[in-house]
Amino acid sequence: GQSLEQPSEVTAVEGAIVQINCTYQTSGFYGLSWYQQHDGGAPTFLSYNALDGLEETGRFSSFLSRSDSYGYLLLQELQMKDSASYFCAVRDRAGGFKTIFGAGTRLFVKA
Amino acid sequence: DSGVTQTPKHLITATGQRVTLRCSPRSGDLSVYWYQQSLDQGLQFLIQYYNGEERAKGNILERFSAQQFPDLHSELNLSSLELGDSALYFCASSTREAQETQYFGPGTRLLVL
Repeated sequence: GQSLEQPSEVTAVEGAIVQINCTYQTSGFYGLSWYQQHDGGAPTFLSYNALDGLEETGRFSSFLSRSDSYGYLLLQELQMKDSASYFCAVRDRAGGFKTIFGAGTRLFVKA
Repeated sequence: DSGVTQTPKHLITATGQRVTLRCSPRSGDLSVYWYQQSLDQGLQFLIQYYNGEERAKGNILERFSAQQFPDLHSELNLSSLELGDSALYFCASSTREAQETQYFGPGTRLLVL
């Protein structure tokens, strides 16, 4: 079957760097997406990796290793407003193109 | 603002009732996705439509149904509601070429009493 695993919680201090890992198991992989969701809000798209390597978008970067079925989201120069839940997601070709989200990682940024 | 609209924003109803949630995708997006998010839970994929046709199906209950109309708006119908159906229901849309990049609406918060 398909599954994604990510840590449930991460805590970091303002200005620091934090990495949120995601391992996945699918039988027909397109790529790995990342979304941010603040409490009470809607998920917002952050980044997408279809190929191995690092994608950088401002303070956020995302990495993918297809051979290891692993990716991560890197947040630099953390700000209080980055406190939110972060979800990795895949579209599983073999699963009928279902979109599958991880359970989410809750990031707490402390002053 | 993602450009995806959902109505209503809040819905309170009783067990056994039926409700309809509505979604309008971003201009130009042909794909619509429906998700359920229960309290402190992740996003559960329900169903995807592309240009009026069902494209992918997740763990959608038989009591739930959806459709996408010719003007591309979509409706999610929930019937014989149970307490456990209380959740946030999100609609998202994407282009055909970038289905891994989904834009979410603000959600409909459903409370079943």
